[in-house]
Amino acid sequence: GQQVMQIPQYQHVQEGEDFTTYCNSSTTLSNIQWYKQRPGGHPVFLIQLVKSGEVKKQKRLTFQFGEAKKNSSLHITATQTTDVGTYFCAGPIRAAGNKLTFGGGTRVLVKP
Amino acid sequence: NAGVTQTPKFQVLKTGQSMTLQCAQDMNHEYMSWYRQDPGMGLRLIHYSVGAGITDQGEVPNGYNVSRSTTEDFPLRLLSAAPSQTSVYFCASSYSGHQLNTEAFFGQGTRLTVV
Repeated sequence: GQQVMQIPQYQHVQEGEDFTTYCNSSTTLSNIQWYKQRPGGHPVFLIQLVKSGEVKKQKRLTFQFGEAKKNSSLHITATQTTDVGTYFCAGPIRAAGNKLTFGGGTRVLVKP
Repeated sequence: NAGVTQTPKFQVLKTGQSMTLQCAQDMNHEYMSWYRQDPGMGLRLIHYSVGAGITDQGEVPNGYNVSRSTTEDFPLRLLSAAPSQTSVYFCASSYSGHQLNTEAFFGQGTRLTVV
């Protein structure tokens, strides 16, 4: 089964509102990465978190790595139409030979 | 700097046909991988390579073969296409695929339909 879970699968957001998407792993991760895929495009790296409790910001995006290093979140403030796309988290899962394992993604749709 | 280049962008195959999806990177990355993307399933690892001459299976390897004769190239072969292999295929490369993963660079993808 999927070892990296993301919720929600879909997120409809009114332009200007905030939202959060969550990533949960069944095992402790040494690090976690986030990617964004625009419709029809390919995944593009956003950020990597390594330390327990780490928080990083990129403009309106805030990424957090949980204290137990088993979960992560992405919070977007004042959503814009440019935020449309699917956001993936990914981490090295020991059961998968420490290869990068992706979550199912959160597809974000923005209502103008 | 081209990054990761995949060809073709689109392909339609008949059931039972074989083909090779090409992937090349010019960043001298050790680690290369192939993923397939299906709706609601995220990206699933098919095969990966940690360097020239070394390949290994990922999560969903059945029906696919790979080889890594050079650092730059990592082709994916479909041996006998089946409708279940209809998907979008992404090739990715990174500096190292080991415990501390570095940023993965993805190609533009190949949209494959098997009829």
